[in-house]
Amino acid sequence: DIQMTQSPSSLSGSVGDSVTITCRTSKSITNYLNWYQQKPGKAPKLLIYAASSLQSGVPSRFSGSGSGTDFTLTISSLEPEDFATYYCQQTYSTPITFGQGTRLEI
Amino acid sequence: EVQLVESGGGLVQPGGSLRLSCAASGFSFSNFAMSWVRQAPGKGLEWVSGISGSGSSTYYADSAKGRFTISRDNSKNTLYLQMNSLRAEDTAIYYCAKDGSSSSALGFYYYGMDVWGQGTTVTVSS
Repeated sequence: DIQMTQSPSSLSGSVGDSVTITCRTSKSITNYLNWYQQKPGKAPKLLIYAASSLQSGVPSRFSGSGSGTDFTLTISSLEPEDFATYYCQQTYSTPITFGQGTRLEI
Repeated sequence: EVQLVESGGGLVQPGGSLRLSCAASGFSFSNFAMSWVRQAPGKGLEWVSGISGSGSSTYYADSAKGRFTISRDNSKNTLYLQMNSLRAEDTAIYYCAKDGSSSSALGFYYYGMDVWGQGTTVTVSS
């Protein structure tokens, strides 16, 4: 199984800040890496697919980068609605695996 | 509008069975792979099982192998998860999710899981 190491597990920020979340995989997954946002009591929402492609309707302040084993999600200029938990996910091979999540707090 | 609606969750005793359903609408259901993803209380996301658009290929997490069976009825636009021999650790919200692309040329979920249901809660307890 491909192991996902997401860091940090929690992060504090203020409106207007830029933050970066990292995800490392135990083997190369080329760019089969997706990012999700989840708010309390809600289903996850796809933000980024294929490591760096922005899902339709997602604000451009969200961006992803990386390939191989190291990936990042950057949120530039935080908005109040961005405070949530973020997960990375690899779909290179089954079982599909998720990172443990990063809680972004005010 | 593309929509997924799960049902079938509830309280079940350890060792019991439950069948979850996910009703799909707003897209050509048979063209898309589907998955079940669960989230235990206060925990992260865990992929449970996936199925190809035709239903001919199925995939399971180790935690589900031998106990859970994923299936679909494309004539009814419905995805299922039959869960047997349930354990306390299966307690979770179960979400169904849709592949972001109908093409499997790059493999399943290269385009992510783009639509999710609202989830159905399964509680395994005596």
